[in-house]
Amino acid sequence: NAGVMQNPRHLVRRRGQEARLRCSPVKGHSHVYWYRQLPEEGLKFMVYLQKENIIDESGMPKERFSAEFPKEGPSILRIQQVVRGDSAAYFCASSRGGENSPLHFGNGTRLTVT
Amino acid sequence: SQQGEEDPQALSIQEGENATMNCSYKTSINNLQWYRQNSGRGLVHLILIRSNEREKHSGRLRVTLDTSKKSSSLLITASRAADTASYFCATALIQGAQKLVFGQGTRLTINP
Repeated sequence: NAGVMQNPRHLVRRRGQEARLRCSPVKGHSHVYWYRQLPEEGLKFMVYLQKENIIDESGMPKERFSAEFPKEGPSILRIQQVVRGDSAAYFCASSRGGENSPLHFGNGTRLTVT
Repeated sequence: SQQGEEDPQALSIQEGENATMNCSYKTSINNLQWYRQNSGRGLVHLILIRSNEREKHSGRLRVTLDTSKKSSSLLITASRAADTASYFCATALIQGAQKLVFGQGTRLTINP
């Protein structure tokens, strides 16, 4: 049983470049969430998607950040023109949906902006 | 302001002792969940307690929920070195129950 797969595990970008983070949910899960974690802190919600739809993007910065979950393929979190403050661990989670469905997390992508 | 706040921020105990972590939250919830995170890894779901439940057990874990005080506790009995990790509570708000709000976590260290 494959869990949530995120790649790459580590990503280094220079300021101004684009970062693309990929997430393949657990097979059969149609709900995907993206969270950001700074060192020694908890996870901050960014965006919640279902297949082809953004349900809640209230935690995502209005500029430079976008997310998608296409009908086929992984969910993508895209950060354009990265800045040093974007350096963090980005975690994807998936669930079956429903109010009491726990989240299954990937091991994250650690983005470093130099 | 943070919805969920864990207490203490860090806890260090001897193997075999019990570890208790607390979580407080601010608004009404649909459920509360506890997760564990080992260093450099993703979070692993431990236990979910619904707002109409007061106590739940899973192996060496015991979770309580007091909605009148807006607080929860996680008890790990007979701790093991492998329990060393960060523990987070997460609340599912009634509005937007799909979106979990995480606390800052408790860093638990079990000394052999």
